[in-house]
Amino acid sequence: SAVISQKPSRDICQRGTSLTIQCQVDSQVTMMFWYRQQPGQSLTLIATANQGSEATYESGFVIDKFPISRPNLTFSTLTVSNMSPEDSSIYLCSVPDFGSYNEQFFGPGTRLTVL
Amino acid sequence: QKEVEQNSGPLSVPEGAIASLNCTYSDRGSQSFFWYRQYSGKSPELIMSIYSNGDKEDGRFTAQLNKASQYVSLLIRDSQPSDSATYLCAVKPDGQNFVFGPGTRLSVLP
Repeated sequence: SAVISQKPSRDICQRGTSLTIQCQVDSQVTMMFWYRQQPGQSLTLIATANQGSEATYESGFVIDKFPISRPNLTFSTLTVSNMSPEDSSIYLCSVPDFGSYNEQFFGPGTRLTVL
Repeated sequence: QKEVEQNSGPLSVPEGAIASLNCTYSDRGSQSFFWYRQYSGKSPELIMSIYSNGDKEDGRFTAQLNKASQYVSLLIRDSQPSDSATYLCAVKPDGQNFVFGPGTRLSVLP
């Protein structure tokens, strides 16, 4: 499976500010996924980031709030904009398995606290 | 709305016992099923995948799938304290994205 890294690993931010989270993969992948895991909750898909095209957002998530970049096949960023305490979550990027495209592997996550 | 349901737990079992984790799903078009383990403060780790009806064994883990009943389970034999974690069931309908269940918290008591 791919080696996935995320930066920052954690951050504490003030209400109204924005944070950009980076996800780096050690191999080229077509799709990268961004998830949110709110405290005590399961994983919710925010969007799918495809290289060379706009990200595809899930219901309840909009580009103005969560802009995504995908400049190449090994890197993506997710920005959490105009943050409020409700945005306090773990944000995870994931990539599919190279062979089957069925299995999915997760990065270490970014733990965000908004005050 | 595609749903995946799990008992939230906590499920407590003594060390050495069999832990049984259950998951049901609503979308009959689902073809791929996964179990992830998530330790507190860590990201989910894939431990089992299953695609066909029946059992699939990997070490102390056995995944069981019954598509007719829309049911998938995970058995952990000889449970160890290090197995204490939250176990997430994930379902992937064909051509669509993963849907994760809420997770079951397992506690293995020494």
